[in-house]
Amino acid sequence: AQSVTQPDIHITVSEGASLELRCNYSYGATPYLFWYVQSPGQGLQLLLKYFSGDTLVQGIKGFEAEFKRSQSSFNLRKPSVHWSDAAEYFCAVGAGTNAGKSTFGDGTTLTVKP
Amino acid sequence: GAVVSQHPSWVICKSGTSVKIECRSLDFQATTMFWYRQFPKKSLMLMATSNEGSKATYEQGVEKDKFLINHASLTLSTLTVTSAHPEDSSFYICSARAEGHYGYTFGSGTRLTVV
Repeated sequence: AQSVTQPDIHITVSEGASLELRCNYSYGATPYLFWYVQSPGQGLQLLLKYFSGDTLVQGIKGFEAEFKRSQSSFNLRKPSVHWSDAAEYFCAVGAGTNAGKSTFGDGTTLTVKP
Repeated sequence: GAVVSQHPSWVICKSGTSVKIECRSLDFQATTMFWYRQFPKKSLMLMATSNEGSKATYEQGVEKDKFLINHASLTLSTLTVTSAHPEDSSFYICSARAEGHYGYTFGSGTRLTVV
């Protein structure tokens, strides 16, 4: 069975500082990995995805993530955080290309200090 | 492209009544849609897979008679919470698979409060 672990429940960073959100997965085959962002009371928005190829993927809003098979990780990064980045972030592993049926991590809440 | 519209965004209902939530794919046809439930400060839990023209597939532990799913067209799936109780209060989110988009499009969610 597939699973996703986001070790950090809550992270606080200062505006302008760099950010890294951790994600570890367990999946029997080549994983399809996703990062989503959710603002309070809103649905999910896809930040980026990895299916194959270059292990460093670029997403929207200046985010990137690196797939490391040896570490079973797919950490999300951003060089300089903006106050508007404060939200809930979810890592997910999808069942092949059928990403709608995905297993989600428990999420990481990002707080941005002024 | 690949926009999913979910309605209503929030609803308050009395215990014992039923509530219908709609999920529409606006610019693509969705043969498959998914319904998730999200508890506060918790991850998303897949409830069921909605298939156009056939019965939905429910995840283990989800009451199919309580959460009725209808996917009558390629652009619309509905989730009806029947005889709602306060414990059904939650945030419900749908997602739809768009060809070429690997099915990652989510609706904006519906906040259901049962009083």
